[in-house]
Amino acid sequence: AQSVTQLDSQVPVFEEAPVELRCNYSSSVSVYLFWYVQYPNQGLQLLLKYLSGSTLVESINGFEAEFNKSQTSFHLRKPSVHISDTAEYFCAVLNEKLTFGTGTRLTIIP
Amino acid sequence: DTGVSQDPRHKITKRGQNVTFRCDPISEHNRLYWYRQTLGQGPEFLTYFQNEAQLEKSRLLSDRFSAERPKGSFSTLEIQRTEQGDSAMYLCASSAIGTLTLFFGEGSRLTVL
Repeated sequence: AQSVTQLDSQVPVFEEAPVELRCNYSSSVSVYLFWYVQYPNQGLQLLLKYLSGSTLVESINGFEAEFNKSQTSFHLRKPSVHISDTAEYFCAVLNEKLTFGTGTRLTIIP
Repeated sequence: DTGVSQDPRHKITKRGQNVTFRCDPISEHNRLYWYRQTLGQGPEFLTYFQNEAQLEKSRLLSDRFSAERPKGSFSTLEIQRTEQGDSAMYLCASSAIGTLTLFFGEGSRLTVL
């Protein structure tokens, strides 16, 4: 069985401040991890993924996530957030199917 | 646009009516998935197909729900005798075998009155 825990349902952050969205997973098989983002009134978009190789993965808009096997975590970070980062962020683990966490709503305060 | 397409985007229906949603995956994607998302929750897996074969169904998929992918291309999700608890966003995703990445459509929002 596999599961994902996102402990923070809402994270308010001041613009240009750093942010970390936490994700912990459990999986009995090989681990493939994903972060998806859902902007208001839009569908889910892939932000970044870890399949193998380097444990640090990056997105094109400045987010990064690090796979930590010992802590079973895949936290998402950005050093300086922008208003346009306001969205819901979902962590997910893949076996035959994607299993999602409950999501973290990131709100940027001007 | 060659992304995953879902229709209709919004559906309002009365309790007890049947509804059907359609999903057109990205061309040549072998796998097609259906998820359901309710307010404040992450997407929950319902079922998936590899080509025309339905390989797994969640226990969330009651007997009132049926999904098909008759020719291994588009898929339909039908809900019979809708209940208010069926109100949700129904998401479709597709992937190519071996790529390990799902691409999602914008969803079909169902409201049952």
